[in-house]
Amino acid sequence: ETGVTQSPTHLIKTRGQQVTLRCSSQSGHNTVSWYQQALGQGPQFIFQYYREEENGRGNFPPRFSGLQFPNYSSELNVNALELDDSALYLCASSSSSGDYNEQFFGPGTRLTVL
Amino acid sequence: AQSVTQLGSHVSVSEGALVLLRCNYSSSVPPYLFWYVQYPNQGLQLLLKYTTGATLVKGINGFEAEFKKSETSFHLTKPSAHMSDAAEYFCAVTPRGNNRLAFGKGNQVVVIP
Repeated sequence: ETGVTQSPTHLIKTRGQQVTLRCSSQSGHNTVSWYQQALGQGPQFIFQYYREEENGRGNFPPRFSGLQFPNYSSELNVNALELDDSALYLCASSSSSGDYNEQFFGPGTRLTVL
Repeated sequence: AQSVTQLGSHVSVSEGALVLLRCNYSSSVPPYLFWYVQYPNQGLQLLLKYTTGATLVKGINGFEAEFKKSETSFHLTKPSAHMSDAAEYFCAVTPRGNNRLAFGKGNQVVVIP
């Protein structure tokens, strides 16, 4: 069974650029959640995708958007990058969006915005 | 909105000594509660969780935590620290009925030989 994978591992962008991060969910999981972890902070919930639809969003502006594909993999897109977007981006997959289902985390993508 | 408080960003503990990490949550209804560990350059790994039932829960690597509703707490303990316990630890909650985690700021644990 393959775990959650994310690509790329590291990324460097400049202010104003756009970035796409990718996540492959664990086999059998249909829900993907994205989190932003700034340096020295705990992860913050960005949004969740369930069966290709956004299913809940945290306190992040619309320039943070996502997609989920029929195979349940997912993308996180960030437009008009700002310096404060520098962070570790984590995705987590689970077998449902409803009541508690354990979330399995990928290793993350480290984004640096210069 | 639910929130989680973890005091003391850095915690130093001697090898063989008790590890105690405190976690308090704010919620009118007891949420589901979790402790995660994060090793350098890795994602989060679930240590243990409380959903229902027994309030003392045991997790991996010898860790345990006790849910105390009256104190809105879910403190993590390990009787004897090992060098391999050096990592960052996060307490997290999710409301019953959805699966969106809210994390505390974390505790960086340093184990002193």
